[in-house]
Amino acid sequence: DIQMTQSPSSLSASAGDRVTITCRASQSISNYLNWYQQKPGRAPKLMIYAASSLQSGVPSRFRGSGSGTTFTLTISSLQPEDFATYYCQQSYITPQTFGQGTKVEIK
Amino acid sequence: QVQLVESGGGVVQPGRSLRLSCAASGFAFSSYGMHWVRQAPGKGLEWVAVISNDGTNKYYADSVKGRFTISRDNSKNTLYLQMNSLRAEDTAVYSCAKDLGLYCTRTSCSSYGMDVWGQGTTVTVSS
Repeated sequence: DIQMTQSPSSLSASAGDRVTITCRASQSISNYLNWYQQKPGRAPKLMIYAASSLQSGVPSRFRGSGSGTTFTLTISSLQPEDFATYYCQQSYITPQTFGQGTKVEIK
Repeated sequence: QVQLVESGGGVVQPGRSLRLSCAASGFAFSSYGMHWVRQAPGKGLEWVAVISNDGTNKYYADSVKGRFTISRDNSKNTLYLQMNSLRAEDTAVYSCAKDLGLYCTRTSCSSYGMDVWGQGTTVTVSS
């Protein structure tokens, strides 16, 4: 199975900060990498698909990049509604796998 | 509007069975692959299974292979997860999700993410 490793596991930031989350795959997954946002008690929300494509309705401050084994999610200017847990997911091959999550907290 | 609503969760003893349902509305259900994803209390997301739009291709996480079966009834716009031989570690919120674009071969499926999710149904396995 492909292992997905996110870093950091958590971070504290202030509104307006630039935030970067990294996701590494244990083998190449081309661009089959997706990012989800999850708030407590809520269903996950697809933010970025195919490594860099912005899902409809997602603000442009979210940007995804990378290919192969290393990917990043960048939030250019953190907003209060962005405090949540973010998960990467590889959808290159089954079983599909998620990273362990990165919790973005208010500093 | 596009909606997925899960049902069928509950408290069950180890070794027993449970069948979850996911009712879809607002989109052409028969045109899309579908997934089950679970989240244990306080833990991260775990992918469980996927099924192609016509039900031909089905794949599972190693942790559930041989115990869980994913299926669908396109005439009823409903996705199912039959869970047998349940274990304490299967305790989780189970959510169904629509795939953005699934491509399957005889050995695997590739896709571009899950764009619609249900709110989930809770399964607790306990004696």
